[in-house]
Amino acid sequence: DAGITQSPRHKVTETGTPVTLRCHQTENHRYMYWYRQDPGHGLRLIHYSYGVKDTDKGEVSDGYSVSRSKTEDFLLTLESATSSQTSVYFCAISEGQAEKLFFGSGTQLSVL
Amino acid sequence: GESVGLHLPTLSVQEGDNSIINCAYSNSASDYFIWYKQESGKGPQFIIDIRSNMDKRQGQRVTVLLNKTVKHLSLQIAATQPGDSAVYFCASAPGAQKLVFGQGTRLTINP
Repeated sequence: DAGITQSPRHKVTETGTPVTLRCHQTENHRYMYWYRQDPGHGLRLIHYSYGVKDTDKGEVSDGYSVSRSKTEDFLLTLESATSSQTSVYFCAISEGQAEKLFFGSGTQLSVL
Repeated sequence: GESVGLHLPTLSVQEGDNSIINCAYSNSASDYFIWYKQESGKGPQFIIDIRSNMDKRQGQRVTVLLNKTVKHLSLQIAATQPGDSAVYFCASAPGAQKLVFGQGTRLTINP
């Protein structure tokens, strides 16, 4: 998957607990993205980063925060997980903004 | 903003036939288009892309056609094989903005 590693691959947690998902790339791409994928909604952008410490919101950012302290790592945090955040989360990278994205293998998150 | 939709949520074809998956976009300023394949339990995988200065682009067994007049994009898969079974997404980007994804068409191959 183009040098993208997501961890963990699966996570079960309880409502109200904090959760952090990690994306690590070895491609040195400038842009990194977090998407969630749900039936009937397709891929929806949560947050993205255009450089170290440079991040911006996507269309479904409420309840999520991100950080990028190094080019290769992009973290997604759910401060207080809710059942509506049960989803499959994908990290993606690209060299430029309107260019092809390469996706990781995904993290299946279940919030009970 | 941009919205992207696929015409059919599911498509079933016979092995060996050609498959055509369609997609429509709303923003006439969109100038970059891309198709992804997603197999069960995996992340989306890049298939082919095209920019608005082209009408057609071919890859290995795949062709993307772009009709800017009616804002329509199609993916053609030649001689469909069992390994082509997957969900196919199109996405588009207006200007230098972020990609907007459609919801996907599930392609099923009948033996």
